Amino acid sequence: QTVVTQEPSLSVSPGGTVTLTCGLSSGSVSTTYYPTWYQQTPGQAPRTLFYSTNTRSSGVPDRFSGSILGSKAALTIAGAQADDESDYYCVLYMGSGIWVFGGGTKLTVL
Amino acid sequence: EVQLLESGGGLVETGGSLRLSCAASGFIFNSYVMSWVRQAPGKGLEWVSSIGGSGANTYYADSVKGRFTISRDNSRNTVYLQMSSLRVEDTALYYCGKAPFDATGYAPGVSWGPGTVVTVSS
Repeated sequence: QTVVTQEPSLSVSPGGTVTLTCGLSSGSVSTTYYPTWYQQTPGQAPRTLFYSTNTRSSGVPDRFSGSILGSKAALTIAGAQADDESDYYCVLYMGSGIWVFGGGTKLTVL
Repeated sequence: EVQLLESGGGLVETGGSLRLSCAASGFIFNSYVMSWVRQAPGKGLEWVSSIGGSGANTYYADSVKGRFTISRDNSRNTVYLQMSSLRVEDTALYYCGKAPFDATGYAPGVSWGPGTVVTVSS
């Protein structure tokens, strides 16, 4: 059973830069896993940030970026703002129509 | 504007059945994969199932395979999730999502409804 790994929690100072990663328990993440990133605040539906690694969803600010860094997918937030404080989830495509979510990263801006 | 609205959630006993619906508008419904994702209380997101635009191709997470059935009625712009043999661990908020294309890669969903709550009691 493939496990998708994310940092359980991260913190960033206002105006700072933070990188969230999305990896595999075995192997490397590449673009063929079509990494997708979601932002979710309590009580709200997920908001799509990026799909297919770095295709930005409508309305997502330029200070958010998606990429592959080394063996993992990455979501970088530059110039962090208070309202970036959220849960962030990645999901990877395992082929044959199957998707697996990571456990999520709780981002604190302080 | 894409709009998705789930319904059909509720309280059911272990072993029971429930059918969720997701009414869609604002896009050409049969041209997109549709998916269901769920979130147990206080937990993360879990992909449940996806269906191709024609309805011919369906995909399931191992946790629901054999118990849940996804389907769609393209004449009604609605996707369904028939859930049977429900377990306590199926208790969650179920979200319906529209994928970016009629293809199973790319993303399980890029637009999401507000969700419907399913509670399975023992």
